[in-house]
Amino acid sequence: AQSVTQLGSHVSVSEGALVLLRCNYSSSVPPYLFWYVQYPNQGLQLLLKYTTGATLVKGINGFEAEFKKSETSFHLTKPSAHMSDAAEYFCAVSHYNQGGKLIFGQGTELSVKP
Amino acid sequence: DTGVSQDPRHKITKRGQNVTFRCDPISEHNRLYWYRQTLGQGPEFLTYFQNEAQLEKSRLLSDRFSAERPKGSFSTLEIQRTEQGDSAMYLCASSTQDFNGEAFFGQGTRLTVV
Repeated sequence: AQSVTQLGSHVSVSEGALVLLRCNYSSSVPPYLFWYVQYPNQGLQLLLKYTTGATLVKGINGFEAEFKKSETSFHLTKPSAHMSDAAEYFCAVSHYNQGGKLIFGQGTELSVKP
Repeated sequence: DTGVSQDPRHKITKRGQNVTFRCDPISEHNRLYWYRQTLGQGPEFLTYFQNEAQLEKSRLLSDRFSAERPKGSFSTLEIQRTEQGDSAMYLCASSTQDFNGEAFFGQGTRLTVV
């Protein structure tokens, strides 16, 4: 079985500060890992994904994440927060033989203070 | 192609009534997924189709829920005898069969059962 834990349901940063959103996963098979962003009353948009290959992946809007197998982590970072980054962020796990089904964490709400 | 579209965006219904939601996936995507998202939680997988075949259903999907994708294009999700606990955002997503990790989500249908 696979599962995802996002540490911290709310994270608040100042504009221009580092953003760090934490994600740990559990998987008995090599995982595919994703970060999605959700703005209020909207669907989810893919920020970045790790399937195979390079463990540091870059996504849209300046976000990146690093797959660390030894730590079972896939934390999301951005060097400098912008007001427009305020949203809900979801980490998700899947596997190539699961038909594309995604298992999501509970989400982290990011607030950005001016 | 304008992406995944869902209709209606909002639905208010009385307890005990039946409701039906529609999802139109991206045209070249043969996989279609339904998820349910309650307030403050990540999306939970309900079911998915590959073309017209429903390949997996979650245990969350009680016998009051039924999903169809009759021609392998659009899909409907019906909830019979709605209960207040059914109040949630229902999200549809689609992807190609050659799963590279990118599922595209619609904006969702928000159901309120009163």
